[in-house]
Amino acid sequence: SQTIHQWPATLVQPVGSPLSLECTVEGTSNPNLYWYRQAAGRGLQLLFYSVGIGQISSEVPQNLSASRPQDRQFILSSKKLLLSDSGFYLCAWGLVYNEQFFGPGTRLTVL
Amino acid sequence: KNEVEQSPQNLTAQEGEFITINCSYSVGISALHWLQQHPGGGIVSLFMLSSGKKKHGRLIATINIQEKHSSLHITASHPRDSAVYICAVRGSTLGRLYFGRGTQLTVWP
Repeated sequence: SQTIHQWPATLVQPVGSPLSLECTVEGTSNPNLYWYRQAAGRGLQLLFYSVGIGQISSEVPQNLSASRPQDRQFILSSKKLLLSDSGFYLCAWGLVYNEQFFGPGTRLTVL
Repeated sequence: KNEVEQSPQNLTAQEGEFITINCSYSVGISALHWLQQHPGGGIVSLFMLSSGKKKHGRLIATINIQEKHSSLHITASHPRDSAVYICAVRGSTLGRLYFGRGTQLTVWP
């Protein structure tokens, strides 16, 4: 069966520090991968999606970047965090167009 | 204005009550999702539908494409149903997902 992992589960970082969140999927090949952010009191927002290794599409311009170095690995990064980067970050995967399976999420607090 | 609007924002019910959460959207869609987010933050996909009605246990989801409206019903609600319920639609033009802000449901024993 397929599983999706995210780490860390929680993270507290100072403003200006770098960020690296990792997402891995097991039990499937060539999945579509997604990064979402859920800011406090707001709905989910799609940040990035990837249909294959090295292929990244950005939905909104921001302080973040994403990379897919391996088929089942998706990384969300920032060189310098902003206060507004605080939120709950969710990774998701799917094989077909409308499919979305979410990971457990990472709660990021930028101080 | 958000492309997806949910109501109510907060909902409190007694165990056993029938619950309805509504979702209206303003874009053309290829599919609509109902998601459940538990206090820890993890999200589970409950339904994906593009027409008609789907049922899974005590949960029922309906969609009216002409009226651009969907409802999620919970029959015989239980405290374990307490969660945030999120409506999301996939736009038919560019295929992007639009999310509602969620409905916080609390069911008291």
